[in-house]
Amino acid sequence: GAGVSQSPSNKVTEKGKDVELRCDPISGHTALYWYRQSLGQGLEFLIYFQGNSAPDKSGLPSDRFSAERTGGSVSTLTIQRTQQEDSAVYLCASSLYRALTTDTQYFGPGTRLTVL
Amino acid sequence: RKEVEQDPGPFNVPEGATVAFNCTYSNSASQSFFWYRQDCRKEPKLLMSVYSSGNEDGRFTAQLNRASQYISLLIRDSKLSDSATYLCVVNGGNAGNMLTFGGGTRLMVKP
Repeated sequence: GAGVSQSPSNKVTEKGKDVELRCDPISGHTALYWYRQSLGQGLEFLIYFQGNSAPDKSGLPSDRFSAERTGGSVSTLTIQRTQQEDSAVYLCASSLYRALTTDTQYFGPGTRLTVL
Repeated sequence: RKEVEQDPGPFNVPEGATVAFNCTYSNSASQSFFWYRQDCRKEPKLLMSVYSSGNEDGRFTAQLNRASQYISLLIRDSKLSDSATYLCVVNGGNAGNMLTFGGGTRLMVKP
């Protein structure tokens, strides 16, 4: 079946502009996660959703970052007034349930963001 | 100290070799452990979960040592296609499925 999809796959923007990244999780997955991976670095957790709610926003790097999820499905990650240090690959993952600690997360292909 | 630490490598090995990676984690409350594989410019994919009793999947064997808080991955009979970055991943030990990723160990298998 269809996996996690993300769009756009690549985004080049100018410093100070806003960007919106989209994630379509696997159908039926209730939990959705956003991570980012800077060049040569490990994955950094940003935020997760259980349904449409995001109980823990502590991973967001600054108040320029926000995310929402509607209808328990699609999620958007918005970065306002982008800075060069925001350049990274933004990865989305989904899992069937969040309550199960061993529930596998499936990753999308990521959006490569470059801020000039 | 990072929550999950790995030797970044690269590990350069010939085809057919056996190679082992270790990973240490700092949160003793962590409950579940995984190895993910990430190919260059691709997303991470689950390779295998790691169980306390140790588990094997073909040429891959994973071990967990809770007392010492380390996890290992052993790859036997390395193939060229095993070349990738191997990410050690630990559940944060909190109420949910919060994963903490190590920085990855890069493996390069040469002919």
